[in-house]
Amino acid sequence: GQNIDQPTEMTATEGAIVQINCTYQTSGFNGLFWYQQHAGEAPTFLSYNVLDGLEEKGRFSSFLSRSKGYSYLLLKELQMKDSASYLCAVIDSNYQLIWGAGTKLIIKP
Amino acid sequence: EAGVAQSPRYKIIEKRQSVAFWCNPISGHATLYWYQQILGQGPKLLIQFQNNGVVDDSQLPKDRFSAERLKGVDSTLKIQPAKLEDSAVYLCASSSGQGDVDTQYFGPGTRLTVL
Repeated sequence: GQNIDQPTEMTATEGAIVQINCTYQTSGFNGLFWYQQHAGEAPTFLSYNVLDGLEEKGRFSSFLSRSKGYSYLLLKELQMKDSASYLCAVIDSNYQLIWGAGTKLIIKP
Repeated sequence: EAGVAQSPRYKIIEKRQSVAFWCNPISGHATLYWYQQILGQGPKLLIQFQNNGVVDDSQLPKDRFSAERLKGVDSTLKIQPAKLEDSAVYLCASSSGQGDVDTQYFGPGTRLTVL
């Protein structure tokens, strides 16, 4: 079966750095997305990785290792507005998007 | 550029009643998706359209759910009759259907409560 694992919940302090991990086991791989979802709102696109390495976009960076079936989202200089769920999603060999359950990130002052 | 539009935003019905949701994708987007998201879970794909054709409806409970995209633009999702376990947020997303990175853009969702 296809599986994406993320921690259910994480807590971090305002101004700090947090890393949210995602491991996947899918039938094939054609890319990985990270989405942010604030409570009661729709997911919004954060990043896309298809090659190994780090993609940096402002305070957010996403890393991919295809050989390890592993990705992480790194959030720097955390702000209270970063409190949200972060969803990892993988495109499989049929070009279908397989979603993780999401990691709820709580930011404390 | 206008985003994905959905209506209604909220709906409360009793079990065994019928309900319909509407979605208008981003202009020019060929691919349209309907997802069901239960609280604390990731989105679950119900159906994917490419223009007005169905690409994937393997997880759509066809005995009670139906969806159409007749003119290849907006779409409706219907539940008839509703069950308690259908309480969820129904998300519509669209993508261009082209290029190497086919990013999905989501609408605000419809929160359905079945009593």
